Amino acid sequence: NAGVMQNPRHLVRRRGQEARLRCSPMKGHSHVYWYRQLPEEGLKFMVYLQKENIIDESGMPKERFSAEFPKEGPSILRIQQVVRGDSAAYFCASSPPMASGREADTQYFGPGTRLTVL
Amino acid sequence: LAKTTQPISMDSYEGQEVNITCSHNNIATNDYITWYQQFPSQGPRFIIQGYKTKVTNEVASLFIPADRKSSTLSLPRVSLSDTAVYYCLVGDAFSSGSARQLTFGSGTQLTVLP
Repeated sequence: NAGVMQNPRHLVRRRGQEARLRCSPMKGHSHVYWYRQLPEEGLKFMVYLQKENIIDESGMPKERFSAEFPKEGPSILRIQQVVRGDSAAYFCASSPPMASGREADTQYFGPGTRLTVL
Repeated sequence: LAKTTQPISMDSYEGQEVNITCSHNNIATNDYITWYQQFPSQGPRFIIQGYKTKVTNEVASLFIPADRKSSTLSLPRVSLSDTAVYYCLVGDAFSSGSARQLTFGSGTQLTVLP
């Protein structure tokens, strides 16, 4: 069972360009999460999606950032008009459909996309 | 979301047992405790998860006292490859419609020395 896939692994953009980060969840997982990690810091939650729905985007910057998880295909995190402060590692995680009872679902992380804005 | 406190760094030697303690005084009834490991330039990797008492898997053990205000991750006989950042997370058990974001603190940098 392949793990969470992210591509590209490294992305270089100039200020003002667009960055598109892709995430394919583990097989059978219907929940996707995006996190951002700055150097020497822990991961910060950005957005939680299920197929075709944004469940929680409380960690997303209000402008330039958007995310989707279409019915078919990977989840996309899009950053428009990138600035130097967007340089970071962006991690995607996935988890399986809702479990019953008191089980706490585990999130499985991909290898990340390292975005560098010149 | 309950706040967690853990040591910034720890050093150990190969072959020793390492215990990393995490404080979470405001843990709620529905919260589970989860530990992740992260190597440089990689995504976090799930290690272990528990609700109370003791949980053991092939990698680690997790000890949770009755009041659940702290937890201890125990790594038996560490090797150089266990050098990584270890994160303690506390979060709600899954329920429909609830936000399920994970809150990462700064973690504990474990350095295993030869």
